[in-house]
Amino acid sequence: EVQLVESGGGLVQPGGSLRLSCSASGFTFSSYAMHWVRQAPGKGLEYVSAISSNGGSTYYADSVKGRFTISRDNSKNTLYLQMSSLRAEDTAVYYCVKQTLSYDFWSGYDLWGRGTLVTVSS
Amino acid sequence: EIVMTQSPATLSVSPGERATLSCRASQSVSSNLAWYQQKPGQAPRLLIYGASTRATGIPARFSGSGSGTEFTLTISSLQSEDFAVYYCQQYNNWPQTFGPGTKVDIK
Repeated sequence: EVQLVESGGGLVQPGGSLRLSCSASGFTFSSYAMHWVRQAPGKGLEYVSAISSNGGSTYYADSVKGRFTISRDNSKNTLYLQMSSLRAEDTAVYYCVKQTLSYDFWSGYDLWGRGTLVTVSS
Repeated sequence: EIVMTQSPATLSVSPGERATLSCRASQSVSSNLAWYQQKPGQAPRLLIYGASTRATGIPARFSGSGSGTEFTLTISSLQSEDFAVYYCQQYNNWPQTFGPGTKVDIK
């Protein structure tokens, strides 16, 4: 089955750290760029970060630059998001998403995980 | 950053009717635009990319058009399962920004 399964969310205090993981199956993970997109409770979608198929290129939204690090392990079919210096405004469901077309960043996202909730609160 | 706007914020439509959703970009994004559908408690689903290419498995009643800064998603005959929030997204420039969404509800 083609799917993405996120894990690692939870409650963390402001200033804390958390690492999200996304396990991919059913497709050739190493051929696709991957992204993280988040959605605050009751709000719209916000772009977070991207990584190329081989991990050589990354991109971050300004709101997370310097605090979040995206990475991937193609041997384990897993995408990661290391989050540090967390703030209340980082509270959201974090979705792992797959690029539609292989080896590019420019084709929308055709596969989404169910998301993992990150709550930043004291 | 390219700002995406969507109108209307809410669209009330009767089943079987046609729905037309608009999306505007603050600068040209060529045809690098996608549409997503999101139902409560679910992840978004890709409907359209490249402004007009239907994603795999998407019914033909969904169609996209436009280029540059003005885009439209048309649902030709609304089915009960189509009542949801619809987001547009540009992926021409970083960050790949989303619009605020249009909620399509039952009239």
